[in-house]
Amino acid sequence: DIQMTQSPSTLSASVGDRVTIPCRASQSISSWLAWYQQKPGKAPKLLIYKASSLESGVPSRFSGSGSGTEFTLTISSLQPDDFATYYCQQYNSYPWTFGQGTKVEIK
Amino acid sequence: QVQLVESGGGVVQPGRSLRLSCVVSGFTFSSYGMHWVRQAPGKGLEWVAVISYDGSNKKYADSVKGRFTISRDNSKNTVYLQMNSLRAEDTAVYYCAKDLLGGDYRGLFDYWGQGTLVTVSS
Repeated sequence: DIQMTQSPSTLSASVGDRVTIPCRASQSISSWLAWYQQKPGKAPKLLIYKASSLESGVPSRFSGSGSGTEFTLTISSLQPDDFATYYCQQYNSYPWTFGQGTKVEIK
Repeated sequence: QVQLVESGGGVVQPGRSLRLSCVVSGFTFSSYGMHWVRQAPGKGLEWVAVISYDGSNKKYADSVKGRFTISRDNSKNTVYLQMNSLRAEDTAVYYCAKDLLGGDYRGLFDYWGQGTLVTVSS
């Protein structure tokens, strides 16, 4: 199975900050990577797919980059609604696997 | 708009069974693969099972293989998860999710239900 690693597990930031969230795959997954946002008590929401494609309706302050084994989710200017947990997920091969998540909290 | 509504969760004793349902609307259900993804309390996301658009292909996580069965009824716009021989470690919120791509499945989840909580405890 492909292991997805997210570190740190918690990230403290302020409104307006530029935030980068890294994700690493245990083997190459090309660009078959997605990012999800989850708020407490809610279902995950797809933000980015194919490493850098923005899902319809997602604000343009979110962007994704990377390929192979190293990926990054960037929030260009953190907004109050963005405090949440972010998960990366590989869909290169079955079984599809998620990172353990990075919680973005208020500094 | 797209809606997925899960039901069937609850408290069940170890070794017993439970069946979850997910009714969908707002898209052509019979054209898309459907998944179940779970999340243990305070933990991350774990993919559980997938079924192709026509029910002909199914895959399972190793942690549930042989105990869980995914199925679908395209006439009822519903996907099911039959869970047998439940264990304490199966305690989680179970989400159904739509595969983004039509046809079989790609393992990319664009719409999710609100989840249903399954608690396995004596």
